[in-house]
Amino acid sequence: QKEVEQNSGPLSVPEGAIASLNCTYSDRVSQSFFWYRQYSGKSPELIMSIYSNGDKEDGRFTAQLNKASQYVSLLIRDSQPSDSATYLCAVVTGNQFYFGTGTSLTVIP
Amino acid sequence: SAVISQKPSRDICQRGTSLTIQCQVDSQVTMMFWYRQQPGQSLTLIATANQGSEATYESGFVIDKFPISRPNLTFSTLTVSNMSPEDSSIYLCSANKNTGELFFGEGSRLTVL
Repeated sequence: QKEVEQNSGPLSVPEGAIASLNCTYSDRVSQSFFWYRQYSGKSPELIMSIYSNGDKEDGRFTAQLNKASQYVSLLIRDSQPSDSATYLCAVVTGNQFYFGTGTSLTVIP
Repeated sequence: SAVISQKPSRDICQRGTSLTIQCQVDSQVTMMFWYRQQPGQSLTLIATANQGSEATYESGFVIDKFPISRPNLTFSTLTVSNMSPEDSSIYLCSANKNTGELFFGEGSRLTVL
């Protein structure tokens, strides 16, 4: 399995704050990067994809990619209690998706 | 997105038996995969289900233990053979289209006694 590393957390932020989630990967030829959210007892759901270096914004979510540093991050602005979940970083090499261990996020009302 | 149906959603099985999980996708997809998620862990790729040919297994997973079929573009099965308590896990079917995004079924929660 390819190496995809995330801080396991738990990460706690107050409601309205910015949550920052980080991910590093080992395979330099990885082409595509995704962030998934997984609520307890549920399957992962796709939040965002990013393919090029730089930032990509979608609503309250911003993904950042730095291929030279093999680093991808997810920022959640104006965090809400409903954002409390485990966030999984996924890295694609070839046609296969490899997942990090996930970061547990709790947004405190 | 693709709607992915899995069944059974959960099952309790006896040691030494086998269980087959079915996965149906609502539209044609390019790739189908099977993942395992053990309690409190992330997703581990078991294999890529190839249409009409043998699946491609990741290191640590073998065909005798996890036989996989994919007779057409929208259907796949995963069998967990000769089960032991260590096989207790959630098994997830996933698929992607040409967009590159990966979608998941609801998962099959397996408990082996």
